[in-house]
Amino acid sequence: ETGVTQTPRHLVMGMTNKKSLKCEQHLGHNAMYWYKQSAKKPLELMFVYNFKEQTENNSVPSRFSPECPNSSHLFLHLHTLQPEDSALYLCASSQDVRGGNYEQYFGPGTRLTVT
Amino acid sequence: GQNIDQPTEMTATEGAIVQINCTYQTSGFNGLFWYQQHAGEAPTFLSYNVLDGLEEKGRFSSFLSRSKGYSYLLLKELQMKDSASYLCAVRDLYTGGFKTIFGAGTRLFVKA
Repeated sequence: ETGVTQTPRHLVMGMTNKKSLKCEQHLGHNAMYWYKQSAKKPLELMFVYNFKEQTENNSVPSRFSPECPNSSHLFLHLHTLQPEDSALYLCASSQDVRGGNYEQYFGPGTRLTVT
Repeated sequence: GQNIDQPTEMTATEGAIVQINCTYQTSGFNGLFWYQQHAGEAPTFLSYNVLDGLEEKGRFSSFLSRSKGYSYLLLKELQMKDSASYLCAVRDLYTGGFKTIFGAGTRLFVKA
């Protein structure tokens, strides 16, 4: 596979469930990102990892827990979510967050619905 | 605080030039990004500016003035496929690290 892949593409979960979103990039990049996109709201950057180290956490609630075991994989663990967390969750990668090479490649996203 | 403003919608004619403005307020400016997002698709990176001036990439150019807290995205020779939302985002350095904040986006409609 090439580019950035995300699984699952669609997820419906109850507020008491625990689930995980997975992102994998096949581009040899060192930085990975999680974004949230809700209807009629600006795109929100949630987390940034560079060389497996978290470099940004944009005040995201603790019910979202990121994990980056290596530069190719990024997870978002979800637990006790709220209906307002329903959104499109996008993963992206780039060569690095430093040095000015910021071109990011996005995955297709996971459409999450919390019931 | 941090704030990003850009127009909600713009309409332009195929073959014309359109300029999408973005103004921002940050305490520790560390770069400005422009993304394109077609309806139902993921955003695509267009440009990054961290120094004042114009960055040109094909039909698209992006300009930055840090002293004015101002950027614009210039699209030349508009095509119908340029109909999309254009997102301005600013990276801010604060004591705890970096934060990237997005504007609400400008929906561009290109008409024949």
